Amino acid sequence: DAGVIQSPRHEVTEMGQEVTLRCKPISGHNSLFWYRQTMMRGLELLIYFNNNVPIDDSGMPEDRFSAKMPNASFSTLKIQPSEPRDSAVYFCASSLTTGVGYGYTFGSGTRLTVV
Amino acid sequence: DAKTTQPNSMESNEEEPVHLPCNHSTISGTDYIHWYRQLPSQGPEYVIHGLTSNVNNRMASLAIAEDRKSSTLILHRATLRDAAVYYCILRDVGNTGKLIFGQGTTLQVKP
Repeated sequence: DAGVIQSPRHEVTEMGQEVTLRCKPISGHNSLFWYRQTMMRGLELLIYFNNNVPIDDSGMPEDRFSAKMPNASFSTLKIQPSEPRDSAVYFCASSLTTGVGYGYTFGSGTRLTVV
Repeated sequence: DAKTTQPNSMESNEEEPVHLPCNHSTISGTDYIHWYRQLPSQGPEYVIHGLTSNVNNRMASLAIAEDRKSSTLILHRATLRDAAVYYCILRDVGNTGKLIFGQGTTLQVKP
C-alpha cells in the first residue's frame, strides 16, 4: 500500500501565480480531507469530501481557494492568485469512512512557499 | 467539538514508559477519544482511539478514566523515534468526519 500520495513535495511560486496541489488517496477510502499547517495556527481543516462530494468547506479561508475531487482516486487544491500568507504545509488525508471508528491516513504534505 | 487540554511539552528517557495525559472534562457520552502523533517533517499519524474501555494496539495503550473526563496515552518503552507532537482529539459519533487538532504535547525522548 503506497499510502496517500501528494505532489509536489515542495512548491515555490511568486505572488499572484496559480498553485495546484494534488492528492491521491488510498484505494478504497471514501473520505478525503485537506489540511493546512502553519506555526501560528497549527493544523487547520480546510475541506473534506465523502464519496467525491464536498461535505464541509467552512475551513476554506477565501474564494482564492478551491478544491475538487473529480473521481475517487484524485483531488486537487488550487490557490488563485497565491499570496505570501498562503505559505504553509498542506496535507491531504483519506479515511475509509467519516465514521469515528476509523483513523485518517495522512500524506507527507506539500510545503508551499509564496514569495 | 469538545475541548481537550494537554501539557505543552514532556520529556522522557529512552526505553522508559511514557504517560501522556489529556483532560476532556466536557466530554459527551457520544465522543470518542482519538490520539494522533506527528513526527518531525511528516504528516500526522493515527495512534489509537477508544470510547469507554482501555485499548491496546501495537503502538500504544489508551487508558480512559472511569468518568471519561481524562485519558492517558501510554508508550510502554519510549524510543528516540517516538519524539513527536501527540494530539488528543474528541470526535462525536454524530459528527460527519471532522478531525480538529489542538496544539498537542511535544514529547522529547532523551538517550
